[in-house]
Amino acid sequence: DTAVSQTPKYLVTQMGNDKSIKCEQNLGHDTMYWYKQDSKKFLKIMFSYNNKELIINETVPNRFSPKSPDKAHLNLHINSLELGDSAVYFCASSQHPGGEGYKNTEAFFGQGTRLTVV
Amino acid sequence: AQTVTQSQPEMSVQEAETVTLSCTYDTSESDYYLFWYKQPPSRQMILVIRQEAYKQQNATENRFSVNFQKAAKSFSLKISDSQLGDAAMYFCAYMAGTASKLTFGTGTRLQVTL
Repeated sequence: DTAVSQTPKYLVTQMGNDKSIKCEQNLGHDTMYWYKQDSKKFLKIMFSYNNKELIINETVPNRFSPKSPDKAHLNLHINSLELGDSAVYFCASSQHPGGEGYKNTEAFFGQGTRLTVV
Repeated sequence: AQTVTQSQPEMSVQEAETVTLSCTYDTSESDYYLFWYKQPPSRQMILVIRQEAYKQQNATENRFSVNFQKAAKSFSLKISDSQLGDAAMYFCAYMAGTASKLTFGTGTRLQVTL
Protein backbone atom coordinates (compact mmCIF):
# COMPACT_ATOMS: atom_id res chain seq x y z
CA ASP A 1 0.00 0.00 0.00
CA THR A 2 1.34 3.39 -1.00
CA ALA A 3 1.57 5.71 2.00
CA VAL A 4 1.60 9.02 0.12
CA SER A 5 0.45 8.94 -3.47
CA GLN A 6 0.34 11.80 -5.90
CA THR A 7 -0.94 11.96 -9.45
CA PRO A 8 0.11 12.38 -12.12
CA LYS A 9 3.79 11.36 -12.04
CA TYR A 10 4.52 13.34 -15.17
CA LEU A 11 2.79 16.39 -16.57
CA VAL A 12 3.72 18.19 -19.76
CA THR A 13 1.69 21.24 -20.62
CA GLN A 14 1.82 24.51 -22.49
CA MET A 15 2.37 27.93 -21.04
CA GLY A 16 -0.81 29.59 -19.91
CA ASN A 17 -2.64 26.37 -19.12
CA ASP A 18 -4.16 25.47 -15.74
CA LYS A 19 -3.29 22.14 -14.16
CA SER A 20 -3.82 20.24 -10.92
CA ILE A 21 -1.78 17.71 -8.97
CA LYS A 22 -3.55 15.48 -6.49
CA CYS A 23 -2.16 13.98 -3.29
CA GLU A 24 -3.54 11.47 -0.84
CA GLN A 25 -2.04 9.92 2.29
CA ASN A 26 -3.25 6.88 4.18
CA LEU A 27 -0.99 7.27 7.21
CA GLY A 28 -3.49 9.09 9.39
CA HIS A 29 -1.20 12.13 9.59
CA ASP A 30 -2.60 15.53 10.42
CA THR A 31 -0.15 17.65 8.42
CA MET A 32 0.44 17.71 4.68
CA TYR A 33 2.88 19.65 2.56
CA TRP A 34 3.83 20.68 -0.93
CA TYR A 35 7.53 21.01 -1.71
CA LYS A 36 9.12 22.17 -4.95
CA GLN A 37 12.41 20.74 -6.22
CA ASP A 38 14.04 22.89 -8.88
CA SER A 39 16.43 21.91 -11.64
CA LYS A 40 19.38 22.16 -9.24
CA LYS A 41 17.68 19.67 -6.91
CA PHE A 42 16.99 22.29 -4.25
CA LEU A 43 13.92 21.44 -2.17
CA LYS A 44 11.80 24.20 -0.73
CA ILE A 45 8.53 24.22 1.18
CA MET A 46 5.59 25.80 -0.61
CA PHE A 47 2.61 25.10 1.62
CA SER A 48 1.81 23.30 4.83
CA TYR A 49 -1.66 22.29 6.01
CA ASN A 50 -2.59 21.05 9.46
CA ASN A 51 -6.03 19.51 9.86
CA LYS A 52 -7.16 21.11 6.59
CA GLU A 53 -5.99 24.56 7.65
CA LEU A 54 -3.23 26.45 5.85
CA ILE A 55 -0.40 27.14 8.27
CA ILE A 56 2.53 27.89 5.98
CA ASN A 57 2.55 29.76 2.68
CA GLU A 58 6.12 30.46 1.69
CA THR A 59 5.73 33.45 -0.63
CA VAL A 60 4.34 31.35 -3.40
CA PRO A 61 2.68 33.23 -6.31
CA ASN A 62 -1.10 33.47 -6.19
CA ARG A 63 -1.26 31.29 -9.27
CA PHE A 64 -0.63 28.36 -6.94
CA SER A 65 -3.68 27.42 -4.89
CA PRO A 66 -3.65 24.43 -2.57
CA LYS A 67 -6.87 22.84 -1.43
CA SER A 68 -7.37 20.36 1.37
CA PRO A 69 -10.84 18.82 1.30
CA ASP A 70 -9.96 16.63 4.28
CA LYS A 71 -6.94 15.60 6.36
CA ALA A 72 -5.97 12.86 3.94
CA HIS A 73 -5.92 14.96 0.77
CA LEU A 74 -4.00 18.01 -0.39
CA ASN A 75 -4.29 19.08 -4.00
CA LEU A 76 -2.33 21.74 -5.82
CA HIS A 77 -3.87 23.80 -8.58
CA ILE A 78 -1.70 26.00 -10.76
CA ASN A 79 -3.15 28.70 -12.98
CA SER A 80 -1.54 30.32 -16.01
CA LEU A 81 1.51 28.07 -16.00
CA GLU A 82 4.87 29.67 -16.75
CA LEU A 83 8.14 28.18 -17.98
CA GLY A 84 9.66 28.79 -14.54
CA ASP A 85 7.10 26.52 -12.94
CA SER A 86 8.85 23.53 -14.47
CA ALA A 87 10.06 21.46 -11.52
CA VAL A 88 9.34 18.35 -9.51
CA TYR A 89 6.56 18.86 -6.98
CA PHE A 90 6.47 16.65 -3.92
CA CYS A 91 3.58 16.05 -1.62
CA ALA A 92 4.43 14.89 1.90
CA SER A 93 2.73 14.19 5.19
CA SER A 94 3.72 13.95 8.81
CA GLN A 95 2.33 14.12 12.29
CA HIS A 96 2.59 17.63 13.72
CA PRO A 97 5.28 17.76 16.40
CA GLY A 98 3.38 20.19 18.57
CA GLY A 99 1.66 19.02 21.71
CA GLU A 100 2.81 16.94 24.59
CA GLY A 101 6.08 15.09 24.30
CA TYR A 102 7.91 14.13 21.21
CA LYS A 103 6.30 12.27 18.38
CA ASN A 104 7.48 10.72 15.19
CA THR A 105 7.76 13.77 13.01
CA GLU A 106 9.48 12.53 9.90
CA ALA A 107 7.81 13.47 6.66
CA PHE A 108 6.80 10.76 4.22
CA PHE A 109 7.00 11.84 0.62
CA GLY A 110 5.06 10.97 -2.48
CA GLN A 111 6.94 9.93 -5.59
CA GLY A 112 6.88 13.44 -7.02
CA THR A 113 5.27 14.97 -10.08
CA ARG A 114 7.60 16.19 -12.79
CA LEU A 115 5.95 19.21 -14.33
CA THR A 116 7.30 20.44 -17.65
CA VAL A 117 5.93 23.66 -19.09
CA VAL A 118 6.66 24.17 -22.78
CA ALA B 1 15.85 31.96 9.92
CA GLN B 2 17.06 28.43 10.00
CA THR B 3 19.59 27.39 7.39
CA VAL B 4 21.12 24.06 6.50
CA THR B 5 24.47 23.84 4.73
CA GLN B 6 25.92 20.87 2.92
CA SER B 7 29.37 21.86 1.75
CA GLN B 8 30.09 18.79 -0.36
CA PRO B 9 28.22 18.89 -3.69
CA GLU B 10 29.66 15.51 -4.66
CA MET B 11 31.37 12.64 -2.90
CA SER B 12 32.71 9.33 -4.10
CA VAL B 13 33.35 6.12 -2.18
CA GLN B 14 34.49 2.65 -3.14
CA GLU B 15 32.22 -0.25 -2.48
CA ALA B 16 32.63 -1.64 1.06
CA GLU B 17 34.39 1.52 2.24
CA THR B 18 33.11 4.18 4.64
CA VAL B 19 32.11 7.70 3.72
CA THR B 20 30.99 10.70 5.78
CA LEU B 21 28.67 13.39 4.48
CA SER B 22 28.78 16.76 6.23
CA CYS B 23 25.93 18.98 7.32
CA THR B 24 25.82 22.09 9.46
CA TYR B 25 22.80 24.09 10.46
CA ASP B 26 21.98 27.35 12.07
CA THR B 27 19.15 27.81 14.55
CA SER B 28 18.28 29.63 17.74
CA GLU B 29 15.80 26.92 18.74
CA SER B 30 16.58 24.40 21.47
CA ASP B 31 13.93 21.91 20.40
CA TYR B 32 14.33 20.53 16.88
CA TYR B 33 14.78 17.47 14.72
CA LEU B 34 17.38 16.60 12.12
CA PHE B 35 17.03 14.17 9.26
CA TRP B 36 18.95 12.65 6.40
CA TYR B 37 16.94 11.82 3.30
CA LYS B 38 18.14 9.81 0.33
CA GLN B 39 16.94 10.50 -3.20
CA PRO B 40 17.95 7.82 -5.73
CA PRO B 41 17.46 8.32 -9.48
CA SER B 42 13.86 7.17 -9.04
CA ARG B 43 13.44 10.59 -7.27
CA GLN B 44 11.63 9.04 -4.33
CA MET B 45 12.57 10.76 -1.06
CA ILE B 46 13.51 8.10 1.48
CA LEU B 47 14.17 8.78 5.15
CA VAL B 48 17.56 7.39 6.15
CA ILE B 49 17.89 8.47 9.75
CA ARG B 50 16.50 10.97 12.26
CA GLN B 51 17.87 12.64 15.38
CA GLU B 52 16.04 14.52 18.10
CA ALA B 53 18.06 17.44 19.42
CA TYR B 54 17.39 16.58 23.05
CA LYS B 55 19.00 13.15 22.66
CA GLN B 56 22.74 13.09 23.26
CA GLN B 57 23.13 9.62 21.83
CA ASN B 58 23.86 9.51 18.12
CA ALA B 59 21.22 7.77 16.02
CA THR B 60 22.11 4.56 14.20
CA GLU B 61 20.25 2.59 11.54
CA ASN B 62 22.16 -0.47 10.37
CA ARG B 63 25.05 0.81 8.22
CA PHE B 64 24.02 4.45 8.70
CA SER B 65 24.99 6.49 11.73
CA VAL B 66 25.23 10.16 12.57
CA ASN B 67 27.68 12.31 14.46
CA PHE B 68 25.50 14.92 16.13
CA GLN B 69 27.45 17.78 17.66
CA LYS B 70 24.82 20.09 19.10
CA ALA B 71 27.14 22.84 20.27
CA ALA B 72 28.86 22.96 16.90
CA LYS B 73 25.51 22.59 15.09
CA SER B 74 26.88 19.77 13.04
CA PHE B 75 25.07 16.64 11.87
CA SER B 76 27.17 14.37 9.68
CA LEU B 77 26.09 11.06 8.17
CA LYS B 78 28.43 8.07 8.11
CA ILE B 79 27.75 5.24 5.71
CA SER B 80 29.69 2.08 6.47
CA ASP B 81 30.30 -0.81 4.09
CA SER B 82 29.02 1.25 1.17
CA GLN B 83 26.94 -0.55 -1.41
CA LEU B 84 26.14 0.29 -5.02
CA GLY B 85 22.56 0.93 -3.98
CA ASP B 86 23.71 3.75 -1.72
CA ALA B 87 24.44 5.90 -4.78
CA ALA B 88 21.99 8.80 -4.58
CA MET B 89 21.51 12.43 -3.58
CA TYR B 90 21.57 12.84 0.17
CA PHE B 91 19.75 15.73 1.79
CA CYS B 92 20.21 16.96 5.31
CA ALA B 93 17.04 18.52 6.74
CA TYR B 94 16.03 20.44 9.83
CA MET B 95 12.68 20.96 11.50
CA ALA B 96 12.04 23.14 14.54
CA GLY B 97 10.17 21.45 17.34
CA THR B 98 6.81 23.07 16.76
CA ALA B 99 7.22 23.97 13.12
CA SER B 100 5.50 22.39 10.19
CA LYS B 101 8.16 22.44 7.57
CA LEU B 102 11.50 20.89 6.70
CA THR B 103 14.41 23.10 5.71
CA PHE B 104 16.72 21.23 3.38
CA GLY B 105 20.38 21.57 2.53
CA THR B 106 21.46 21.69 -1.10
CA GLY B 107 22.29 18.01 -1.19
CA THR B 108 25.36 15.83 -1.72
CA ARG B 109 25.53 13.50 -4.67
CA LEU B 110 27.17 10.24 -3.60
CA GLN B 111 28.80 7.98 -6.16
CA VAL B 112 29.74 4.42 -5.25
CA THR B 113 32.44 2.83 -7.36
CA LEU B 114 33.58 -0.77 -7.71
